[in-house]
Amino acid sequence: GAVVSQHPSRVICKSGTSVKIECRSLDFQATTMFWYRQFPKQSLMLMATSNEGSKATYEQGVEKDKFLINHASLTLSTLTVTSAHPEDSSFYICSVPPWTSGVGYNEQFFGPGTRLTVL
Amino acid sequence: DQQVKQNSPSLSVQEGRISILNCDYTNSMFDYFLWYKKYPAEGPTFLISISSIKDKNEDGRFTVFLNKSAKHLSLHIVPSQPGDSAVYFCAASADFGNEKLTFGTGTRLTIIP
Repeated sequence: GAVVSQHPSRVICKSGTSVKIECRSLDFQATTMFWYRQFPKQSLMLMATSNEGSKATYEQGVEKDKFLINHASLTLSTLTVTSAHPEDSSFYICSVPPWTSGVGYNEQFFGPGTRLTVL
Repeated sequence: DQQVKQNSPSLSVQEGRISILNCDYTNSMFDYFLWYKKYPAEGPTFLISISSIKDKNEDGRFTVFLNKSAKHLSLHIVPSQPGDSAVYFCAASADFGNEKLTFGTGTRLTIIP
């Protein structure tokens, strides 16, 4: 299966600072990537769709000015949490959808996730 | 509004026995369903899927059953092995091939040796 990496795996920051999370597709080019967020004991919630060469598409209720997404290349998408606050503490996961990997339908390949803790 | 629900947050099963994980959904537009397995500090990995035109799909020790009229699906693992201990998420999409997945809250499965 496809390999998707994320960096960093864990980050602790002070309230008010910005944090950048990288998602890389290691095996293939990905024109689309997805960003999810998971709060403790809750399900993974889709935040936004990252599109190479164009603006990201955000889900309802997700602040686009707070969660900046840049799909810089066909193998890299970044999520920047701007002016982070404690309520932004969560597990952030990226994924690559099937058609960009050429394997299967709906079988999104997920990165290992980034644990963000905002003090 | 939780459209995909896993009402059992945890489940313990003896090694060698059958594990049954359940999932209910409310959106009648969902037509493709998936199960993912997740270990701590890792992203989910795809396990098995089923489209709405089927009521059963089997892959080795894993079988997924779909009851569309009840809006219910289940994952059967038999025989259960210690390596199956993980959190299992069911997910659904409203359009076969559509990438947007709606996830359930997960069930933590513990296999007792």
